[in-house]
Amino acid sequence: GEKVEQHESTLSVREGDSAVINCTYTDTASSYFPWYKQEAGKSLHFVIDIRSNVDRKQSQRLIVLLDKKAKRFSLHITATQPEDSAIYFCAASRSNNRIFFGDGTQLVVKP
Amino acid sequence: NSKVIQTPRYLVKGQGQKAKMRCIPEKGHPVVFWYQQNKNNEFKFLINFQNQEVLQQIDMTEKRFSAECPSNSPCSLEIQSSEAGDSALYLCASSLTGVSDYTFGSGTRLLVI
Repeated sequence: GEKVEQHESTLSVREGDSAVINCTYTDTASSYFPWYKQEAGKSLHFVIDIRSNVDRKQSQRLIVLLDKKAKRFSLHITATQPEDSAIYFCAASRSNNRIFFGDGTQLVVKP
Repeated sequence: NSKVIQTPRYLVKGQGQKAKMRCIPEKGHPVVFWYQQNKNNEFKFLINFQNQEVLQQIDMTEKRFSAECPSNSPCSLEIQSSEAGDSALYLCASSLTGVSDYTFGSGTRLLVI
């Protein structure tokens, strides 16, 4: 089955800097790659996603890059703010199938 | 506020007791997933439904859990005999297509003592 690896378990940046979280996956049939944010004690909140028919997507301060050849995707958060601090999970799925999650990256944005 | 409603928010059970949690999917979403998130933030897929039919489930779910998504009623997930290792956050998610646009509920945090 699919295995999603999230390379950074923790990431600390200064407010205003960019943060990059990298993930890899194993299943070449995976076609949907969402990112979720989880604050302490709370549920998952959808952040941004990318489908396999594109290699870049941007939504305000968030950019997702997808390299299908390398089976790698990444989340770039520009101009970070303290409220960006949370655990971020990458995920991958095939169509009509369950989501496979990475183990999470704890992002700390220091003022 | 999530459009997927999970109840209860917290559940405390003794070992061997049944533990039941419910999920109302987002209106119009026929696909429902249940995941278990442990204290190490690891996710375990438990089961998914399309309308009332089970699409996939893992062995643990089949052997120890009872789950259903009846029409016009909340979906439910029940552990038949709780174990300490079942202590976790149980997340329900729904999707219109099953492909994307998953909406997660706030979760039920189960503590088995």
